Amino acid sequence: EVQLVESGGTLVKTGESLRLSCRASGFTVNDAWVSWVRRPPGKGLEWIGRIRTKPYGATTEYTVPVKGRFSISLDESNNIFYLQMNNLKTDDTAMYYCGKEGSEGPFWGQGTLVTVSS
Amino acid sequence: QVVVTQESSVTVSPGGTVTLTCGCSSGPVTDRHYPYWLQQRPGQGPRTLIYDTYKKQSWSPARFSGSLLGDKAALTLSNAQPEDEGDYHCLLSFPNSPNSWWVFGGGTKLTVL
Repeated sequence: EVQLVESGGTLVKTGESLRLSCRASGFTVNDAWVSWVRRPPGKGLEWIGRIRTKPYGATTEYTVPVKGRFSISLDESNNIFYLQMNNLKTDDTAMYYCGKEGSEGPFWGQGTLVTVSS
Repeated sequence: QVVVTQESSVTVSPGGTVTLTCGCSSGPVTDRHYPYWLQQRPGQGPRTLIYDTYKKQSWSPARFSGSLLGDKAALTLSNAQPEDEGDYHCLLSFPNSPNSWWVFGGGTKLTVL
């Protein structure tokens, strides 16, 4: 059974950095595509980016608002996908979710809350 | 930047039928956008109900169906139940876009009343 558990969300100040974790189980992490999305308070979901693991070229891609500030990586030995967030802004305040993409559509975790204060 | 549009809120009576739609500022929504529909209940993570326009996940209730309706993707709920209340997010793929591979709509708040 696929399971994704996000953690690491907390209250930070503008300009600070934070790393979120997405602990995965029930699938082969080094043969997966995983996306991160977020939902700011009172708004809809926003796609942040994705990682394609080694069999697919080990590439990442990001949406424009976070490009250069956020990065996604994989710790294969611990089955954890990371979202590194630098130079955080108040607009980055949101619930953050990771999702495993697959032939039967994406499967999502329960999320972790990031609050950025000025 | 492409904008994906959804109704902001919709109300349906218990047992009734409702259709939510998903449009795209760059043109008609087609099966090449691989439309997804995600359900999100308060305090919960999203879960994918529909993928690739009409395909269902194992947990997707039979009363939900996906389709293309004119220039839009559509999610139809038949025989609405109280537990169907929540937010519904449309997701479209743009693999050739330089800005964003996936783009979500703003979400539709569904009330069963």
